[in-house]
Amino acid sequence: GQQLNQSPQSMFIQEGEDVSMNCTSSSIFNTWLWYKQEPGEGPVLLIALYKAGELTSNGRLTAQFGITRKDSFLNISASIPSDVGIYFCAGPPSSGGSNYKLTFGKGTLLTVNP
Amino acid sequence: GAVVSQHPSRVICKSGTSVKIECRSLDFQATTMFWYRQFPKKSLMLMATSNEGSKATYEQGVEKDKFLINHASLTLSTLTVTSAHPEDSSFYICSASTLKQSYEQYFGPGTRLTVT
Repeated sequence: GQQLNQSPQSMFIQEGEDVSMNCTSSSIFNTWLWYKQEPGEGPVLLIALYKAGELTSNGRLTAQFGITRKDSFLNISASIPSDVGIYFCAGPPSSGGSNYKLTFGKGTLLTVNP
Repeated sequence: GAVVSQHPSRVICKSGTSVKIECRSLDFQATTMFWYRQFPKKSLMLMATSNEGSKATYEQGVEKDKFLINHASLTLSTLTVTSAHPEDSSFYICSASTLKQSYEQYFGPGTRLTVT
């Protein structure tokens, strides 16, 4: 099946540092979504991207829809301890059909040391 | 906006019993709801997609007779784990989307199921 590859798998950073993570696919995506999941909770939608080249911000978070449509990037500036969590990218698989289901990457685990 | 609730948040049941999990969209009408299962430190695995008033579409390998899904209204979907076994213990999460923003799924807080 279609896979989304996220990197890095995990990151350990100091508070105040900037963070960058990415998501790649072997096939073209028309939509990229970025979610954050904290322990024991459901994922929360951070940013949705619908257009190649699109750059969208949500507070300290910025995500970009790659020009090739096969990748997306998420950046977090000036990290704080509450940024800790797993960040997932997601997008509709090529066989999405009419139900708008999503394929999720394996996630990037972010740890922020105060 | 786009708040999804799940109930219960945690449940412990004995092997062989059935457990029902509710998923509600609180401030919007959900044309489609999704049920996921998540193992520790793993990604979300889609189990099934349900549309209001129609039968759920199950992903390959998911037993529809074991995981019964009902989507009775535009704000409520239920997942019933029938004849639960310890291997069914997991974190179950629902999500909902609207027709207008159809790829954007809004997730519930999840239900931790433990089968003893």
